[in-house]
Amino acid sequence: DAKTTQPPSMDCAEGRAANLPCNHSTISGNEYVYWYRQIHSQGPQYIIHGLKNNETNEMASLIITEDRKSSTLILPHATLRDTAVYYCIVRGLRGNQFYFGTGTSLTVIP
Amino acid sequence: GAVVSQHPSRVICKSGTSVKIECRSLDFQATTMFWYRQFPKKSLMLMATSNEGSKATYEQGVEKDKFLINHASLTLSTLTVTSAHPEDSSFYICSASYGSSSNQPQHFGDGTRLSIL
Repeated sequence: DAKTTQPPSMDCAEGRAANLPCNHSTISGNEYVYWYRQIHSQGPQYIIHGLKNNETNEMASLIITEDRKSSTLILPHATLRDTAVYYCIVRGLRGNQFYFGTGTSLTVIP
Repeated sequence: GAVVSQHPSRVICKSGTSVKIECRSLDFQATTMFWYRQFPKKSLMLMATSNEGSKATYEQGVEKDKFLINHASLTLSTLTVTSAHPEDSSFYICSASYGSSSNQPQHFGDGTRLSIL
């Protein structure tokens, strides 16, 4: 299963766009990239996922590079409630398991 | 939609007690459920994959006799921590997935904080 690498922490000013990078250089052709976030003492919350094309929903946008070796999650207008640990996960093909990395702790600053 | 409920949210019990945690998918049928454990300030660690009607698949290093998993219906999976000891204290989280496609998100419960005295 492909591993992911994310910066351990980031800050973002409230109202600004938060851009969270993720490297997944060993991803294989049919593996999806998923993004979740976890607010303290809660279960992870699904944000978005994609395979090759860029994706957008009401929460965020996902930009995947053409070679699929990296992706960026974009929160267009960060709020204080977006402070959380953000996990980028490549979903395994065999059993659809998620293997969580260490994630990025995003702090939105007033 | 896609709500997963986990119960109890918190449990404190004495060493040697067995503890059962329930994971329910409330508005969809979950062919696969997953159990994770999370220690303070650490990431989630996958413990096992549970498919309805079949035996769970455990990750390497997870004792199947210690962590009993039952997935008897498409909406319920249970994790029983047998003869729990203080080192089993952790945050246990389940997730459920509709279908076996890798294009289906996992939906997570809010976790169970287990404290063994």
